Amino acid sequence: DAGVIQSPRHEVTEMGQEVTLRCKPISGHDYLFWYRQTMMRGLELLIYFNNNVPIDDSGMPEDRFSAKMPNASFSTLKIQPSEPRDSAVYFCASTRRGSYTFGSGTRLTVV
Amino acid sequence: SQQGEEDPQALSIQEGENATMNCSYKTSINNLQWYRQNSGRGLVHLILIRSNEREKHSGRLRVTLDTSKKSSSLLITASRAADTASYFCATEGNQFYFGTGTSLTVIP
Repeated sequence: DAGVIQSPRHEVTEMGQEVTLRCKPISGHDYLFWYRQTMMRGLELLIYFNNNVPIDDSGMPEDRFSAKMPNASFSTLKIQPSEPRDSAVYFCASTRRGSYTFGSGTRLTVV
Repeated sequence: SQQGEEDPQALSIQEGENATMNCSYKTSINNLQWYRQNSGRGLVHLILIRSNEREKHSGRLRVTLDTSKKSSSLLITASRAADTASYFCATEGNQFYFGTGTSLTVIP
């Protein structure tokens, strides 16, 4: 198994641009999570899905953030418009009740 | 969403010493897990302990769980410089929580 796959690994964009982060979970995992990690705030849960349905999006910072999971093998996290304070590492993780498997993360820099 | 609390936030020890990290949480759980994160990398699963277990071992790792106190500890024995990383606890119950992490530095 290739594990949880995230793309891109690095993204540098200008303030105001739309950013789309992608995640492919492990086949058979029915939970998918999006986390954001910064030095100041640590690891924050943004949203998680169960069987492609968003369950808890209370961690999504504001309306500029949206996440979708159109099928069991793909999810996106979109930021529109992006701001410098969105700069962070964004992780995707999946699980089928038990241990999480994390992707390698997307390092986002908004200038 | 709420997260578990871990202490200490940072820990620095000499190689060969034992390192103990603690995690407290707030809700009832099915299991608790510990993860390790090397700088710039994703989190890697270390060990899972179920709510009906009190202690679990894996190599140099020892995890305890006290559900009455809603707390867990991770002990790394005979630490090595390569153990330098951040360690997180995560709980799974009706919701999913991650702790704030303990940054461990093992000095050679």
